[in-house]
Amino acid sequence: GAVVSQHPSRVICKSGTSVKIECRSLDFQATTMFWYRQFPKQSLMLMATSNEGSKATYEQGVEKDKFLINHASLTLSTLTVTSAHPEDSSFYICSARLETQYFGPGTRLLVL
Amino acid sequence: KNEVEQSPQNLTAQEGEFITINCSYSVGISALHWLQQHPGGGIVSLFMLSSGKKKHGRLIATINIQEKHSSLHITASHPRDSAVYICAVRPNAGGTSYGKLTFGQGTILTVHP
Repeated sequence: GAVVSQHPSRVICKSGTSVKIECRSLDFQATTMFWYRQFPKQSLMLMATSNEGSKATYEQGVEKDKFLINHASLTLSTLTVTSAHPEDSSFYICSARLETQYFGPGTRLLVL
Repeated sequence: KNEVEQSPQNLTAQEGEFITINCSYSVGISALHWLQQHPGGGIVSLFMLSSGKKKHGRLIATINIQEKHSSLHITASHPRDSAVYICAVRPNAGGTSYGKLTFGQGTILTVHP
């Protein structure tokens, strides 16, 4: 079946640094990818919809200058958490849709 | 009230038991997903339903569009089924939520040997 990969799977960084997370669709082209954030014991919250070749659509309350999304090709979307702070520590998951929804394995971010 | 409600929130079972997780939603939908999330965090899509019933191995998913309700059943449960099961719906076209998934809060299933 279709596979979505994420890299890195885990990252620890210092407060104030920027972190880039990659999401790739491995065997299909995805014009649209979705970025979610999940806090412990909570459900997934959609952050933004990433559209290939155009600007991402951010959900209400998500700072677009804080969470930069680039969807440069049909198989790659990146999420950059700029000037990360401890409150940005979370589990970030991307997904892409073919006939059904495929999720990446997630990236656990810890900001010290 | 959330648009997607799951019950129960926590479920503990003995190996071999038949398990049912319920999902109710309040909006018109084009599809409903059942997802499985293991402790490591990765999410697997188990089913996508728009009507009727689907079966895959020991898993069965049903949906009643008129009643806005879906169930996920696990027959002959096993400890490896222990995970969080999430119901997610895709609203119908025409609203601001079109194309996006709305998630339930998840059901934590623990199956003891």
